Amino acid sequence: AQSVTQLGSHVSVSEGALVLLRCNYSSSVPPYLFWYVQYPNQGLQLLLKYTSAATLVKGINGFEAEFKKSETSFHLTKPSAHMSDAAEYFCAVSDRFGYQKVTFGTGTKLQVIP
Amino acid sequence: GAVVSQHPSRVICKSGTSVKIECRSLDFQATTMFWYRQFPKQSLMLMATSNEGSKATYEQGVEKDKFLINHASLTLSTLTVTSAHPEDSSFYICSARGTLAGSNYGYTFGSGTRLTVV
Repeated sequence: AQSVTQLGSHVSVSEGALVLLRCNYSSSVPPYLFWYVQYPNQGLQLLLKYTSAATLVKGINGFEAEFKKSETSFHLTKPSAHMSDAAEYFCAVSDRFGYQKVTFGTGTKLQVIP
Repeated sequence: GAVVSQHPSRVICKSGTSVKIECRSLDFQATTMFWYRQFPKQSLMLMATSNEGSKATYEQGVEKDKFLINHASLTLSTLTVTSAHPEDSSFYICSARGTLAGSNYGYTFGSGTRLTVV
């Protein structure tokens, strides 16, 4: 069985400040890990994914995430928050071979304060 | 890149009627399609998984007779909500997994359908 835990359902940061959204995973097999962003009333957009290559993964819009096996973590970061980053972010896990379904975390709503 | 087109984006229907939602993979073959449901301020919950040409596999607690899934081709999957009731109002999202030219395109999501049953 696989699962992800996102710490903090709401995160507020000032514009220009560091964004850190936390995600810890549990998986019995080597995982694929994903971060998705969802804007209101829209579908999900893939920010980045870890597929066993480099442990530091760079995504779109300046986001990146680091896979740390020892900590079973895949935290999402961005050096400087922009107002347009305000959205809901979902961490997700699947098995490395893509045979299993994608399991989502409960989401973290990011608020950016001007 | 891989694109999944989902229609309609919004639909309002009367209680007791049926609604069909379509998902099409535009530039790759979707061997597997996943259907999710998202309640307000909650995460996505998987409803069912369908493989092209096979019957869908439903998650526990999802009524297969109410949520009919068809995946008759490698580019089209449909979800029909039959005899819809207000409690079926939700945001439905499809996700496709497939291959193109031998590469694994992973999971690509549609833009979602907001269903409101009145």
